[in-house]
Amino acid sequence: QVQLVQSGAEVKKPGASVKVSCKASGYTFTSYDINWVRQATGQGLEWMGWMNPNSGNTGYAQKFQGRVTMTRNTSISTAYMELSSLRSEDTAVYYCARGDVIWIDPWGQGTLVTVSS
Amino acid sequence: SYELTQPPSVSVSPGQTASITCSGDKLGDKYACWYQQKPGQSPVLVIYQDSKRPSGIPERFSGSNSGNTATLTISGTQAMDEADYYCQAWDSSLLVFGTGTKVTVL
Repeated sequence: QVQLVQSGAEVKKPGASVKVSCKASGYTFTSYDINWVRQATGQGLEWMGWMNPNSGNTGYAQKFQGRVTMTRNTSISTAYMELSSLRSEDTAVYYCARGDVIWIDPWGQGTLVTVSS
Repeated sequence: SYELTQPPSVSVSPGQTASITCSGDKLGDKYACWYQQKPGQSPVLVIYQDSKRPSGIPERFSGSNSGNTATLTISGTQAMDEADYYCQAWDSSLLVFGTGTKVTVL
């Protein structure tokens, strides 16, 4: 079955960077985009951007331009999202999700990133 | 930037119908999707392309989209449907989520 498995929880200090991985299985990794979405505790879903694993092309939400980088390693069917210059407001659960035309499905299990001094 | 607005909460009695709206400028000209998220879980797609149900989603979930409003309808609501629901659409190559609606089954 199609599955996205993300890396484990991270604790980072303000100003640091975090890199979250998302390993895909059950489908051809290069055939579907990967989207990244985050959710702060008690808040709604916030889209961060997308990446085409075949071409490496990306599209980022304006809010994250200059701070986020989405990459992939096709040999191991894994996508990565790196967020730099972390601040306390970046504390959230980060999800990867497969893009299919205009919807995203399925989603990974989420990775909690805590930014604290 | 494009915005999708949902009511913060909707309450429904078991067995009754819950309707959740999602409002955005000319939303009917775009495709809308809906996600269900239960506490501590990842979101799950329940409606795509306005009104289609993914495999495994019960028939009581239906959707429509016209004008400036997309609607998710849960017919014969069950206790297990209590969750947060988010609409989603694309605008100018950017994905937008709605503000989210908490559905409470009383």
